[in-house]
Amino acid sequence: KAGVTQTPRYLIKTRGQQVTLSCSPISGHRSVSWYQQTPGQGLQFLFEYFSETQRNKGNFPGRFSGRQFSNSRSEMNVSTLELGDSALYLCASREGPTNEKLFFGSGTQLSVL
Amino acid sequence: KNEVEQSPQNLTAQEGEFITINCSYSVGISALHWLQQHPGGGIVSLFMLSSGKKKHGRLIATINIQEKHSSLHITASHPRDSAVYICGSGTSGSRLTFGEGTQLTVNP
Repeated sequence: KAGVTQTPRYLIKTRGQQVTLSCSPISGHRSVSWYQQTPGQGLQFLFEYFSETQRNKGNFPGRFSGRQFSNSRSEMNVSTLELGDSALYLCASREGPTNEKLFFGSGTQLSVL
Repeated sequence: KNEVEQSPQNLTAQEGEFITINCSYSVGISALHWLQQHPGGGIVSLFMLSSGKKKHGRLIATINIQEKHSSLHITASHPRDSAVYICGSGTSGSRLTFGEGTQLTVNP
């Protein structure tokens, strides 16, 4: 089985722009979650989707949004980028919404200039 | 608010040593995750546990629900175990609160 695929791997944007990141989960996995990792704040939970519905949302401003499609692929969008949004964005998938191990993608490294 | 604390922040060991990394959390949780992150960013989930103890190869994870504490043990450590180890406590689904991580270096 292919692992969790995130695209693009690297991205450079300027302040004020918007960005869309993509995550394709492992085949058969219907739960996708997103995380932000920065040197200062560490790993932080962004949101979780299961069967196209947002189940949980972390403490991030409304500029951060996401969605999940019927094939379980997920996208997250960040509008009006700020310098502090520079981070590694990771997505993880698992079969269902209950407690199971998470499978992480390699992440998208976003740099905001 | 769930707070997660890991100790130690940094750990250097000699090959073959027994290693313990600790994780404490402040609120009742549904599950505790141990993750491993190598340079370059890739994260691997080592364990997800909600009670008791789990073992995989040289790695053992334990959790004490009453004391709100979990430990990750590595027996017969090896240089390839060098990585950052992160614990994450979950209160609902994939909504995890993470510790700052423990940087482990195992010297040959």
